[in-house]
Amino acid sequence: GAGVSQSPSNKVTEKGKDVELRCDPISGHTALYWYRQSLGQGLEFLIYFQGNSAPDKSGLPSDRFSAERTGGSVSTLTIQRTQQEDSAVYLCASSSWTGREETQYFGPGTRLLVL
Amino acid sequence: SQELEQSPQSLIVQEGKNLTINCTSSKTLYGLYWYKQKYGEGLIFLMMLQKGGEEKSHEKITAKLDEKKQQSSLHITASQPSHAGIYLCGADLRGNKLVFGAGTILRVKS
Repeated sequence: GAGVSQSPSNKVTEKGKDVELRCDPISGHTALYWYRQSLGQGLEFLIYFQGNSAPDKSGLPSDRFSAERTGGSVSTLTIQRTQQEDSAVYLCASSSWTGREETQYFGPGTRLLVL
Repeated sequence: SQELEQSPQSLIVQEGKNLTINCTSSKTLYGLYWYKQKYGEGLIFLMMLQKGGEEKSHEKITAKLDEKKQQSSLHITASQPSHAGIYLCGADLRGNKLVFGAGTILRVKS
């Protein structure tokens, strides 16, 4: 299919380890978002990439979180020195701004469990 | 407090019954999105509403936007087991990112 893909689908790690989560957006979509959904809570915005502009990092919860987007396509979300409270489903979305409206298409998510 | 309040938090309906889920914003809405999340799957885009009074339908699901009340409702007619899941509203409150409600868990009893 031509949807947003994420890998891995599930990740179990030990507290203190670093993890990398990958997102492949829909081809041609200029905008890419990362969200986090913790158990019992709503979706939480993390970071937003739009074209070649500087990313909006306002949602990153701490400096242990970082993300990059290479070549305007694939994005990697890195969590350093993971903590148990980082356990969540991490969702990636991409969109194409038409000038009138924007629809975000979501990937299946990566379920992260920090032991 | 959440910028988007969804109600109810959970809902169990008998197959064939109608139901309504509400999403209320504490701020001006510039766009309102409805998504469905099936257990173990990603978010599925249902529809987007932009203008006050706008109403859209997809199969047996209808969503309306009341701009004055800063509220949207999602109505499912003659519910089916396939409608079960988590329904999320997301709003563009300006800022290039969506703010989401906490979700409504829908279960449909056969």
